Amino acid sequence: AQSVTQLDSHVSVSEGTPVLLRCNYSSSYSPSLFWYVQHPNKGLQLLLKYTSAATLVKGINGFEAEFKKSETSFHLTKPSAHMSDAAEYFCVVSDRAPRAAGNKLTFGGGTRVLVKP
Amino acid sequence: SQTIHQWPATLVQPVGSPLSLECTVEGTSNPNLYWYRQAAGRGLQLLFYSIGIDQISSEVPQNLSASRPQDRQFILSSKKLLLSDSGFYLCAWSLGTGGFGRNQPQHFGDGTRLSIL
Repeated sequence: AQSVTQLDSHVSVSEGTPVLLRCNYSSSYSPSLFWYVQHPNKGLQLLLKYTSAATLVKGINGFEAEFKKSETSFHLTKPSAHMSDAAEYFCVVSDRAPRAAGNKLTFGGGTRVLVKP
Repeated sequence: SQTIHQWPATLVQPVGSPLSLECTVEGTSNPNLYWYRQAAGRGLQLLFYSIGIDQISSEVPQNLSASRPQDRQFILSSKKLLLSDSGFYLCAWSLGTGGFGRNQPQHFGDGTRLSIL
């Protein structure tokens, strides 16, 4: 079984300051982990993915995340927030599963980011 | 490159009316396909997934059904809509790898906002 916990439902930052979105996971196998961003009334866009290669993963729009197995965490960071970063962010885990299971994902509850000017 | 198209973008339907939402993927063959629902203030709920034509799995018992008449076409239907069917419906695809697909992220369409009156 797998699960994802996003520790903050809302995060508020000032433009130009760092952003930290926290995510903890549990997984029966070595997981693959993803971060997605969703702007209002839009679909989810993949920011980055971890698939057992480098533990520090760089994504689009200046985001990066670090996989820490000992802490079962996959926190998302960005050094300097931009107004366009205001959105909802989802941490997602994919367990090892055969193709017959359709590569199902487990989503965290989401973190809504507010960026203040 | 691969693209996913989902339509309509918004839909307002009366209770008891039928529903048909369409999703098509371009630029890849034999993808895994998914339908999700996102209710207001809640996370994503996987409704159906498909690893091939006529291979569709339902995740939750409900008033909805899915079909895959062509390799890259996925349709979500209902014969009679309920008020509880309101929500934001998202279609997604991932590469249909021959073996384990856990490393594959899902790629989402822009969604359909369904309101039931």
